[in-house]
Amino acid sequence: AQSVTQLGSHVSVSEGALVLLRCNYSSSVPPYLFWYVQYPNQGLQLLLKYTTGATLVKGINGFEAEFKKSETSFHLTKPSAHMSDAAEYFCAVSDNGNKLVFGAGTILRVKS
Amino acid sequence: DAGVIQSPRHEVTEMGQEVTLRCKPISGHNSLFWYRQTMMRGLELLIYFNNNVPIDDSGMPEDRFSAKMPNASFSTLKIQPSEPRDSAVYFCASSVTGTGGNEQFFGPGTRLTVL
Repeated sequence: AQSVTQLGSHVSVSEGALVLLRCNYSSSVPPYLFWYVQYPNQGLQLLLKYTTGATLVKGINGFEAEFKKSETSFHLTKPSAHMSDAAEYFCAVSDNGNKLVFGAGTILRVKS
Repeated sequence: DAGVIQSPRHEVTEMGQEVTLRCKPISGHNSLFWYRQTMMRGLELLIYFNNNVPIDDSGMPEDRFSAKMPNASFSTLKIQPSEPRDSAVYFCASSVTGTGGNEQFFGPGTRLTVL
């Protein structure tokens, strides 16, 4: 069975600082991996995804993530945090690209 | 495109009442997903359809929950009878089924409160 573990339910960074949100997954087959963002009272929006090919994936709003098979990780990073990045972030895994299993989410707080 | 449309946005009902949540997927999308989000359990997939056919309903909590997709542009999730523990935000999402890694587009959700 697939599963996702997001380390840290809350992460706080200063504006301009590096953002690092951690995600580890478990999958019996080569996975499809996703990061979604949820702003208050809204649905989820795709930030980026890994399917095949290049392991460093670039997404919207300056975010990127690197697929590391040996570490079963797909951590999300952004070099410089903006106030507008404050939201909840979800990592998800799929074995066929259709049914997603989501992590518990990480709430990102950006301090001015 | 208007995106995934859900109605109502908010629903408050009393225990024992029937609740129907509605979803209109993005035109041209052939997969539809119903999720439930709570503080305790996070985001859970309840059921998903492909080409209007239910493919996986293993996440449906119990017989009180049912979902239908009579055509490609409409789906309902019904709870009968509702219970306080059903209080949650219910999301509908749609996607185009392809070779894999398909982006799911989420609606704004329906916030259900059962008193």
